[in-house]
Amino acid sequence: QQQVKQSPQSLIVQKGGISIINCAYENTAFDYFPWYQQFPGKGPALLIAIRPDVSEKKEGRFTISFNKSAKQFSLHIMDSQPGDSATYFCAASIEGYSTLTFGKGTMLLVSP
Amino acid sequence: EAQVTQNPRYLITVTGKKLTVTCSQNMNHEYMSWYRQDPGLGLRQIYYSMNVEVTDKGDVPEGYKVSRKEKRNFPLILESPSPNQTSLYFCASSSQGEYEQYFGPGTRLTVT
Repeated sequence: QQQVKQSPQSLIVQKGGISIINCAYENTAFDYFPWYQQFPGKGPALLIAIRPDVSEKKEGRFTISFNKSAKQFSLHIMDSQPGDSATYFCAASIEGYSTLTFGKGTMLLVSP
Repeated sequence: EAQVTQNPRYLITVTGKKLTVTCSQNMNHEYMSWYRQDPGLGLRQIYYSMNVEVTDKGDVPEGYKVSRKEKRNFPLILESPSPNQTSLYFCASSSQGEYEQYFGPGTRLTVT
């Protein structure tokens, strides 16, 4: 049973455009929602994270939008750049537990 | 430099030949975990450890063993590897109570 569903599986965006990746979760006990970024040949690295007490968090060109009632959260990459081309994973965790449940990932390609 | 290291980075082996992938972290983290990454399936947790001598199964533990005798090391053991264990493996660690996981560079395993 997949607890975190991520879409789309792949995404192509023109340079300067907005990239949007969506995730939905089922377990209402989740209270921490990070996004990890993975470049080819590297391990995933934390990009940005949000807790459910806020609806939006922004760090530079990256924004997480969170909808608690819909049990959905999304990553928006503004002014997408070729250097943003990577695989993005959403994840969820429960307070007090270090274990993360990951989505299946989205391969983003930003064309020049 | 704070890091998670894995060895070997690449390994080609034959069915049934026991192997060990080592993982070591220098951040004094309590929590360590192993994931496998497969196309279209994302990151799936194999085993995790909350501290020394404390380990537990993740989502896909079959065919794998782990041990945590020292805080810094968390080796992954495949006693009788099979071709369906061909995958990209990641070790990760985090501080207890902290959500951010730090990933190693990955080990690409091929079992023929």
